[in-house]
Amino acid sequence: NAGVIQTPRHKVTGKGQEATLWCEPISGHSAVFWYRQTIVQGLEFLTYFRNQAPIDDSGMPKERFSAQMPNQSHSTLKIQSTQPQDSAVYLCASSSTGGADAETLYFGSGTRLTVL
Amino acid sequence: GDSVTQKQGQVTLSEDDFLFINCTYSTTTYPTLLWYVQYPGQGPQLLLKVTTANNKGISRGFEATYDKGTTSFHLQKASVQESDSAVYFCALVDQTGGYKVVFGSGTRLLVSP
Repeated sequence: NAGVIQTPRHKVTGKGQEATLWCEPISGHSAVFWYRQTIVQGLEFLTYFRNQAPIDDSGMPKERFSAQMPNQSHSTLKIQSTQPQDSAVYLCASSSTGGADAETLYFGSGTRLTVL
Repeated sequence: GDSVTQKQGQVTLSEDDFLFINCTYSTTTYPTLLWYVQYPGQGPQLLLKVTTANNKGISRGFEATYDKGTTSFHLQKASVQESDSAVYFCALVDQTGGYKVVFGSGTRLLVSP
């Protein structure tokens, strides 16, 4: 089991460019979560999917941010027109939704986004 | 909405010292409470989980007890090691409208040999 895989590990963009972050959840997990981590704000919930359907996107900035989960094996977080304040580590996590391990989030190592 | 509060930004100890990290929570439901630990360059990983059914969680020498009266969920360890140096997050499962995990701001533990 390779765990949750996030690519790329590091991404540098110029202000105004687009950034797409990829996440491959653990095989068999039906829920995928996205979080953003900064020193100032800590771990902020962005959005999550269950069985590929969007369930809660209450943490997503209303503009420029979007997330998709086109199939069971990957999810993407897209940031359009990136701004310096988008610089953060973006973490993806997956979980099962049944059994004793339900509700345990398994995180990837994150993508560090730097916007110049 | 649900929230968790960690007031200690950093704790500095020596090996074999006693560890206590304070966490309080606010929720309108019966929560599942968790502690996650994050090592440098990695995502957080679950350390232990406590529900209203069992009130206490123990893992790798760490212990947390849920106290509904004081809405607290503190993390303790009798004797820390240098390898315990990491960031510790208190969290709860917000079950309103589906579920998501809400994290506290984290406490950085530094243990010197």
